[in-house]
Amino acid sequence: DTGVSQDPRHKITKRGQNVTFRCDPISEHNRLYWYRQTLGQGPEFLTYFQNEAQLEKSRLLSDRFSAERPKGSFSTLEIQRTEQGDSAMYLCASSFLAGAYEQYFGPGTRLTVT
Amino acid sequence: QKEVEQDPGPLSVPEGAIVSLNCTYSNSAFQYFMWYRQYSRKGPELLMYTYSSGNKEDGRFTAQVDKSSKYISLFIRDSQPSDSATYLCAMSAGGKLTFGQGTILTVHP
Repeated sequence: DTGVSQDPRHKITKRGQNVTFRCDPISEHNRLYWYRQTLGQGPEFLTYFQNEAQLEKSRLLSDRFSAERPKGSFSTLEIQRTEQGDSAMYLCASSFLAGAYEQYFGPGTRLTVT
Repeated sequence: QKEVEQDPGPLSVPEGAIVSLNCTYSNSAFQYFMWYRQYSRKGPELLMYTYSSGNKEDGRFTAQVDKSSKYISLFIRDSQPSDSATYLCAMSAGGKLTFGQGTILTVHP
């Protein structure tokens, strides 16, 4: 049984570049969440999907951010025109619809914008 | 004011001590209360969850929820050096999680 996986684990990019992260949830889970965590803070919610439908987006998710979950399986999070303030750990989690509070997290993608 | 408040510590205790970690919250809609453990540069690991008020025990860990006071606690008995980590409380009304800041715990031998 594999858990949530994320790729890449680390990404260093220059300001203004676009980056894309991938998340593969636990296979039976139909909900997938994205969170962002900065140093010394707890994770902050960005967006979540139920199957392929994006059900909620945080105000933190500016127009430069877009997320997709085609076919209700893996998900991608893209950040366009990266800024230094985007430097953070991007965490993906998944859960069943029933029991959505029981979310299991991946190892995260650490983004550094120089 | 944040919806969930958690003292960031750091908290340092000797091995074998009882550790008490706490969070307060302001959103009455929260029904589910979770505790996560996060090691450095890793993703959060779900330790326990509780629905509504009450206590829940799992081995050395006990979670308590007092909805009337909007206060939750995690107790760790017989703490071990391997318990050294950041402990995050999280709450939900059924969908997204709202986290506290996290408490850094160090258990020294």
